[in-house]
Amino acid sequence: ELKVEQNPLFLSMQEGKNYTIYCNYSTTSDRLYWYRQDPGKSLESLFVLLSNGAVKQEGRLMASLDTKARLSTLHITAAVHDLSATYFCAVGPAGGTSYGKLTFGQGTILTVHP
Amino acid sequence: EAEVAQSPRYKITEKSQAVAFWCDPISGHATLYWYRQILGQGPELLVQFQDESVVDDSQLPKDRFSAERLKGVDSTLKIQPAELGDSAMYLCASSSPLAGPSYNEQFFGPGTRLTVL
Repeated sequence: ELKVEQNPLFLSMQEGKNYTIYCNYSTTSDRLYWYRQDPGKSLESLFVLLSNGAVKQEGRLMASLDTKARLSTLHITAAVHDLSATYFCAVGPAGGTSYGKLTFGQGTILTVHP
Repeated sequence: EAEVAQSPRYKITEKSQAVAFWCDPISGHATLYWYRQILGQGPELLVQFQDESVVDDSQLPKDRFSAERLKGVDSTLKIQPAELGDSAMYLCASSSPLAGPSYNEQFFGPGTRLTVL
């Protein structure tokens, strides 16, 4: 059974600082997704990582994938208040009929304060 | 921009009552998913459709939950009877295997917040 673990689960950051959220998963996969969720809202897709060594950047967020280590990171650069939200990583299985099913991590609640 | 539609957005019901949620995926998306998200946790898949066929319902509590997608487009998720533990956000998502660089990326609807009293 695929398990996905994020850490930290809670992250309180000062504006302007850098930090990294880690996502570890337990079985082979080459598909990893990052989502953002604001309180009471649905999930917004941030990044789709489809191969070992993939790196994608959007604004102050950068995501990477190491399939050999079964690890993805979400790096936050010079945090601003607008980044406050819950961030989820989700892993898809490698092939098979359930190719679409995503297994989510617990989520990291990020709070950015002045 | 194409979006996944869901209704209702909020539903309050008493336990033992029946509830139903509706989802309309992005046009052309063959795969539709229903997830349940308990407060403070990540979403968990309940059922996955490919066109009108169920391809994964292993986590669906079939004694009380049912889902259908009769014409392979919109879908309904039903709970009967509702229990206190069913209080959660129910999210619908859709994807297309033909999404190219965003392979099978799932797009989520606004969700239905269910409260069972």
